Amino acid sequence: GAGVSQSPSNKVTEKGKDVELRCDPISGHTALYWYRQSLGQGLEFLIYFQGNSAPDKSGLPSDRFSAERTGGSVSTLTIQRTQQEDSAVYLCASSLAGTGPLFGEGSWLTVV
Amino acid sequence: GENVEQHPSTLSVQEGDSAVIKCTYSDSASNYFPWYKQELGKRPQLIIDIRSNVGEKKDQRIAVTLNKTAKHFSLHITETQPEDSAVYFCAASRPEYGNKLVFGAGTILRVKS
Repeated sequence: GAGVSQSPSNKVTEKGKDVELRCDPISGHTALYWYRQSLGQGLEFLIYFQGNSAPDKSGLPSDRFSAERTGGSVSTLTIQRTQQEDSAVYLCASSLAGTGPLFGEGSWLTVV
Repeated sequence: GENVEQHPSTLSVQEGDSAVIKCTYSDSASNYFPWYKQELGKRPQLIIDIRSNVGEKKDQRIAVTLNKTAKHFSLHITETQPEDSAVYFCAASRPEYGNKLVFGAGTILRVKS
């Protein structure tokens, strides 16, 4: 597709369950980012992948959060043992080197 | 690390007036400054960006200015229209971190018709 694709668009999960969120970046984009946005709040950096370099994981809030990017393309963000405070929109973005990231529509996560 | 502050948090203007949103950053090595517009329930959209070798950039009714000495940059929207109503985010990044952006807290812009 022409844009960043994320799935699922909406996810309701029970507290304590694991969730996986998927991101398909724009074809050819070398950089991929995950951000989190709580309701009415700003954009919180989680993790950044650039080509074959080691990812910058400095924004992951706890060891329950992890992400991988396979083959330099698709990325999966995994949240283990979800908590209610994990409820947010998880936004993926991708970019070419030196350009502004373009965001997907997000995955809306609700932990009940 | 980088810290970006954005002001005001909310801004109401009359249709046709201008709107100005200001951001300051802390890391003098930052050299890329994009602005995003986010409508309710939608994704942030890149609307304009500026690099440190440029002092001003304009795209139709939108302009961004950068003052590297003072470490601040601003978004200017002229002839505002109701469809400009949204949350606007500024951001900054350093070259060695690629495009890992640090965002401001956002400004809610309301254009009253």
